[in-house]
Amino acid sequence: GEDVEQSLFLSVREGDSSVINCTYTDSSSTYLYWYKQEPGAGLQLLTYIFSNMDMKQDQRLTVLLNKKDKHLSLRIADTQTGDSAIYFCAERFYGQNFVFGPGTRLSVLP
Amino acid sequence: DVKVTQSSRYLVKRTGEKVFLECVQDMDHENMFWYRQDPGLGLRLIYFSYDVKMKEKGDIPEGYSVSREKKERFSLILESASTNQTSMYLCASSGLRQGSKETQYFGPGTRLLVL
Repeated sequence: GEDVEQSLFLSVREGDSSVINCTYTDSSSTYLYWYKQEPGAGLQLLTYIFSNMDMKQDQRLTVLLNKKDKHLSLRIADTQTGDSAIYFCAERFYGQNFVFGPGTRLSVLP
Repeated sequence: DVKVTQSSRYLVKRTGEKVFLECVQDMDHENMFWYRQDPGLGLRLIYFSYDVKMKEKGDIPEGYSVSREKKERFSLILESASTNQTSMYLCASSGLRQGSKETQYFGPGTRLLVL
């Protein structure tokens, strides 16, 4: 079955880059997503990448997809305290079947 | 902007009580989902619905049921709450468009404590 894995915690200093990694087992996904969850809130879509792309840049965010290694990463440049949150990686398969990772809690230290 | 609302942000219930969690979306979305979120486990799908009166079991349906009488509303029911159902419950909705980036839109969550 599908499985998505992420490390649970990441700490970075303000102004540094953050890299959040995700690995998955099923390569038949159509889209891969990054969601952000702030304390006490639901998930908000940050960015996504189509499965036949290998990179997408959106302002401070860079998504890299390595299909061969089944590895997805999210890089946040110039990390700010407002970026502190839980980040979820998710795969979408044909139809509306989504599989989420366990989430990475990003802490930004001053 | 898509809006998904959930009836309560926080709920405290006793073991054995019947619990209703309500979710409403205003984007005329066909698909609606209920997840529970637990630390280190991410989101686990309980039930989803792709049309009115239609429902499908997700990965962890035991102890739960759902109701979709109207397109905009999807209810999660705990017939007899137990302490292991203490969790954060997230509702989501999405449209039918295939082959697009169509994502799921999430509500703010209901944090349920069962004593």
